[in-house]
Amino acid sequence: EDKVVQSPLSLVVHEGDTVTLNCSYEVTNFRSLLWYKQEKKAPTFLFMLTSSGIEKKSGRLSSILDKKELFSILNITATQTGDSAVYLCAVEAGGYQKVTFGTGTKLQVIP
Amino acid sequence: GAVVSQHPSRVICKSGTSVKIECRSLDFQATTMFWYRQFPKQSLMLMATSNEGSKATYEQGVEKDKFLINHASLTLSTLTVTSAHPEDSSFYICSARMTGAGKYGYTFGSGTRLTVV
Repeated sequence: EDKVVQSPLSLVVHEGDTVTLNCSYEVTNFRSLLWYKQEKKAPTFLFMLTSSGIEKKSGRLSSILDKKELFSILNITATQTGDSAVYLCAVEAGGYQKVTFGTGTKLQVIP
Repeated sequence: GAVVSQHPSRVICKSGTSVKIECRSLDFQATTMFWYRQFPKQSLMLMATSNEGSKATYEQGVEKDKFLINHASLTLSTLTVTSAHPEDSSFYICSARMTGAGKYGYTFGSGTRLTVV
């Protein structure tokens, strides 16, 4: 059974702090790892990672994948209150493009 | 681009009735659509994979006769919750893999909040 584990489950930081969210996985026939931000409704896509060691960046967010150690991190620098959300990690694996989601990390950024 | 439209966004129904949720891919063809369920403060749980023109693939523990999935065209997949009960109350959301140049990952519908009373 495919597994995706995220840590920490929740996190409270002050504005301006830098946070690192972790995602580890055990899947068969890995295809890609995806990061999403979920506020109130549908998750919004952040990154898709397929290769080890290549950092993807979008503004204050960045992510990297380690396929040898089977994990990924999502970094957010200079956090803002608008970053408060649940961050979901998902892994696409197998021939059916099945996506397994982690439990999510709830981030709260306080002024 | 790559928008999935999901309707209704919210529905309240009586116990024993059926509810249909639609997901349409607006500007692309989705040969595969995924249906998820999310309980409060929990992550997305895959219920089934819907394939255009063929039977859906259900995850272990998901009742096929209760959650009917139809993917009749490349742009429309429906999930019907039959004989709904209060324990079926949840947030249901569909997603499709984005395809095409420069498109990555999966795009989600806006979700349907189902409340069975």
